Amino acid sequence: AQSVTQPDIHITVSEGASLELRCNYSYGATPYLFWYVQSPGQGLQLLLKYFSGDTLVQGIKGFEAEFKRSQSSFNLRKPSVHWSDAAEYFCAVGAWYQLIWGAGTKLIIKP
Amino acid sequence: DGGITQSPKYLFRKEGQNVTLSCEQNLNHDAMYWYRQDPGQGLRLIYYSQIVNDFQKGDIAEGYSVSREKKESFPLTVTSAQKNPTAFYLCASSEEGNTEAFFGQGTRLTVV
Repeated sequence: AQSVTQPDIHITVSEGASLELRCNYSYGATPYLFWYVQSPGQGLQLLLKYFSGDTLVQGIKGFEAEFKRSQSSFNLRKPSVHWSDAAEYFCAVGAWYQLIWGAGTKLIIKP
Repeated sequence: DGGITQSPKYLFRKEGQNVTLSCEQNLNHDAMYWYRQDPGQGLRLIYYSQIVNDFQKGDIAEGYSVSREKKESFPLTVTSAQKNPTAFYLCASSEEGNTEAFFGQGTRLTVV
């Protein structure tokens, strides 16, 4: 069955610390991969995407993600988080007109 | 500015009533989607449409209906058959053959 797992429901990091959010997927072929961010009560904004090519993808707001085919993972990273990064982060995988979404990871920033 | 507009932002419905959520896009995208979001469950697809006058059921279509009479508009009706309609509803669109989705700001529906 196709699925996306974000193992961490919540993650708390100190401002200025590094961040890694995990995403694992189960899919029949190499899918398109996405990370989206959602602030409370708002829509989702695309952070980055992987379609093909270089497996290290750079996104907006200083985020990057690495696609590891052997591990079926697409983890999101940021070297130094800011208080404004506090939000919920969603990983999604898919092709064509349907995406499969993870349940999200809520990022909490400690001052 | 191009984008997706959802209205209203907040909506209250009495039990047994139908309500319609609006979604308009000026991105010239062919595909449009409706998602439902509940706490801790991520996004679940209700309906999607690839072209005008055509739409497909998603994973949780029961109790919902849609229409796609114009390329830029994809309204969602939450019917009285939907047992638990209180949720945050998100509309999205994408170019044909490209799964990168652009989202509206959402409508929070509450049944009172």
